[in-house]
Amino acid sequence: GAGVSQSPRYKVAKRGQDVALRCDPISGHVSLFWYQQALGQGPEFLTYFQNEAQLDKSGLPSDRFFAERPEGSVSTLKIQRTQQEDSAVYLCASSLGPPNTGELFFGEGSRLTVL
Amino acid sequence: DQQVKQNSPSLSVQEGRISILNCDYTNSMFDYFLWYKKYPAEGPTFLISISSIKDKNEDGRFTVFLNKSAKHLSLHIVPSQPGDSAVYFCAATGTSYDKVIFGPGTSLSVIP
Repeated sequence: GAGVSQSPRYKVAKRGQDVALRCDPISGHVSLFWYQQALGQGPEFLTYFQNEAQLDKSGLPSDRFFAERPEGSVSTLKIQRTQQEDSAVYLCASSLGPPNTGELFFGEGSRLTVL
Repeated sequence: DQQVKQNSPSLSVQEGRISILNCDYTNSMFDYFLWYKKYPAEGPTFLISISSIKDKNEDGRFTVFLNKSAKHLSLHIVPSQPGDSAVYFCAATGTSYDKVIFGPGTSLSVIP
């Protein structure tokens, strides 16, 4: 596709439910990033893939968060046993890199609301 | 510990005047600095960047200035237009640093 595509755009989950958020990056982009953006704040780094390899997962807030990119294209961010503090917009971004020059192409985000 | 700081949550400017958005950083490993623009319900979009070997980069109405010794950068928009009203994020990264770190953002309103 022309841009980064994320689905679902909106997700409402009851506390304790598992959710899966999908990201379809720009074709040919090697690098893929997940960010979490809470209301009124900047995007916070979660994890980074280079092709299928997850090179950095230092930003994942707990072991309830898991991300994968098994074939080096589509990525899924899974959150198990959701909590209210997980409510945020989850942004996916891709880039041609490395090398990393910081020019990322973002999707529109998946807004998660945990009740 | 915020590595990228934007101390002004909001800024209001008259159409046609200059908008100046400021950003400070703490990590000396950063060697690329970027500005992203975000409209509501959309993802951030890349606006302009600067490498640490430069002190100025200009692209049309947008100019970014970098002061490495002060660990400070600024984005100048001149002349400001109503369509520039958005949240602006300062970001930083490095060639030996896989993450892109974002600041908390400054909401710019350009008043017609």
